[in-house]
Amino acid sequence: DQQVKQNSPSLSVQEGRISILNCDYTNSMFDYFLWYKKYPAEGPTFLISISSIKDKNEDGRFTVFLNKSAKHLSLHIVPSQPGDSAVYFCAASEGGGTYKYIFGTGTRLKVLA
Amino acid sequence: DGGITQSPKYLFRKEGQNVTLSCEQNLNHDAMYWYRQDPGQGLRLIYYSQIVNDFQKGDIAEGYSVSREKKESFPLTVTSAQKNPTAFYLCASREDGVSGANVLTFGAGSRLTVL
Repeated sequence: DQQVKQNSPSLSVQEGRISILNCDYTNSMFDYFLWYKKYPAEGPTFLISISSIKDKNEDGRFTVFLNKSAKHLSLHIVPSQPGDSAVYFCAASEGGGTYKYIFGTGTRLKVLA
Repeated sequence: DGGITQSPKYLFRKEGQNVTLSCEQNLNHDAMYWYRQDPGQGLRLIYYSQIVNDFQKGDIAEGYSVSREKKESFPLTVTSAQKNPTAFYLCASREDGVSGANVLTFGAGSRLTVL
């Protein structure tokens, strides 16, 4: 049972426009969410995170929105740049000290110059 | 430079052989993790350890074993019982942030191919 889902395997966006990557989860106990960026044959790198007590977190060109009632989060990249082309993973963890991180299947973003 | 070192980067194994992937971190993080990446399946958790001499099974632990004898080291053994071991393996450690942020830092990965 996939607890964290990224239903769009790929996304193409023009350079300078907004990229919106979506993530849905099923476990209402998740209270911390992260986004990672990954290039082929490399480890993922951390982008941005959000706690369940917030509904928005911003860091430069990256903004994460959390809708707890819909169990949905999204990553907005504005403006998109060709160097943003990579696979993006969302991840979630439960509270209570379990620290077990569950990842989605990833969305491949291609930013067209 | 602080970070996570995984070795080897590429490894080939014959069927029926055990193989051990190394993961070393100098970040002074307490928790360490092993994930496996397959095409179209994202990252799946194999094992994780929150402290020395303790570890827990993840979602796909069958056919794998780990040890955590030192804080900085968390080796993963892929045994002959693992049915489909060909994959990209990622090791991570967790920083416990003062603000409550708990971020995983990943190594560069090890690609295991079974011939």
